[in-house]
Amino acid sequence: GEDVEQSLFLSVREGDSSVINCTYTDSSSTYLYWYKQEPGAGLQLLTYIFSNMDMKQDQRLTVLLNKKDKHLSLRIADTQTGDSAIYFCAETGGGSTLGRLYFGRGTQLTVWP
Amino acid sequence: NAGVTQTPKFRVLKTGQSMTLLCAQDMNHEYMYWYRQDPGMGLRLIHYSVGEGTTAKGEVPDGYNVSRLKKQNFLLGLESAAPSQTSVYFCASSYVNTEAFFGQGTRLTVV
Repeated sequence: GEDVEQSLFLSVREGDSSVINCTYTDSSSTYLYWYKQEPGAGLQLLTYIFSNMDMKQDQRLTVLLNKKDKHLSLRIADTQTGDSAIYFCAETGGGSTLGRLYFGRGTQLTVWP
Repeated sequence: NAGVTQTPKFRVLKTGQSMTLLCAQDMNHEYMYWYRQDPGMGLRLIHYSVGEGTTAKGEVPDGYNVSRLKKQNFLLGLESAAPSQTSVYFCASSYVNTEAFFGQGTRLTVV
């Protein structure tokens, strides 16, 4: 959705780190998510962060949140060819928009061997 | 455990025809969503529901109607299909502010 913006493409070499960035506009967002979509499939949750946190680490994944700038990033360490997919940033609304779940356009990550 | 099931998986409609897409979830989730996915546009929220009997508009609600008569089902209706509604439609469900589980999608072509 237009409230959530991401760059559309990222290419990295296998073994390097990937960083996917996202910006959002809703200051009442409570949770922010990263989803992964492989070709022909639905979306699967990778990780999420609550809006009062600034970092979360989960194995090869690190999520950084700058709430002041409304900027979210996903870092994938030691990127593998199997990580090639579309990655979506998403945010849930709060207050009067509680329950609304908006996605960005997705970042196509291509990992070269 | 079926999770989120969408029917049908594929459909071809003629312009002006109507149809209903069914989404069913067996996880007792409060929230349910309908999205459309188009190349380069990501997922755009059509309508959503925060509980049985409630619905709300998302980003692109025009041309679609929804109903949530039962907690486990969320129906998406197209009253008069247009070629611009050719897309892949995804349904999702979740508890309050937790992981959303997605169906496998419905590929709809309007000719």
